[in-house]
Amino acid sequence: GAVVSQHPSRVICKSGTSVKIECRSLDFQATTMFWYRQFPKKSLMLMATSNEGSKATYEQGVEKDKFLINHASLTLSTLTVTSAHPEDSSFYICSARRGFPEGTIYFGEGSWLTVV
Amino acid sequence: DQQVKQNSPSLSVQEGRISILNCDYTNSMFDYFLWYKKYPAEGPTFLISISSIKDKNEDGRFTVFLNKSAKHLSLHIVPSQPGDSAVYFCAASGTGNQFYFGTGTSLTVIP
Repeated sequence: GAVVSQHPSRVICKSGTSVKIECRSLDFQATTMFWYRQFPKKSLMLMATSNEGSKATYEQGVEKDKFLINHASLTLSTLTVTSAHPEDSSFYICSARRGFPEGTIYFGEGSWLTVV
Repeated sequence: DQQVKQNSPSLSVQEGRISILNCDYTNSMFDYFLWYKKYPAEGPTFLISISSIKDKNEDGRFTVFLNKSAKHLSLHIVPSQPGDSAVYFCAASGTGNQFYFGTGTSLTVIP
């Protein structure tokens, strides 16, 4: 069964609104989670590293005010896409490492975001 | 700049034969590598990993080989099955938790 759960799996929102995607580690605590975005015909691109109890670390070129990440507990990280635009439509995936430092990385099921 | 590269976007193999997927990396600090399998509209599924202290790791039909001097790793699937048809990503990590992914290779196993 899944060890990392992501919700919702699909969401449609209007331009200008905000949408929140949740990532949960189901049977382990994850001090660090990761958010990726997949562009069509391209690789998964790391957007940010979510750190429990502290600010997320964003990759270069990712707008931190647009993609708000909150890691309020050891089992939950959220990604909020603010003021969404059609170009934000994409497949967003989270992951969490089970065990440190070489624990297996597990991915969520992914979330399809469509901004209309 | 792509630090992990999969130069073959697609591969077709006959059922029962060996599938070999290749991955190259540029950062000599990478010391942990993984392979993932991904079906459309789903999150990646972990397949197999290898750390830089090894040059081979085997798990059932899947074997990963690491050539550190060449900065190259490969995934062997033998025998290949139609259910193996998916996109395969390799990923690499150095210090810290960030993983860098290749662009994926779409494997088609022909019955």
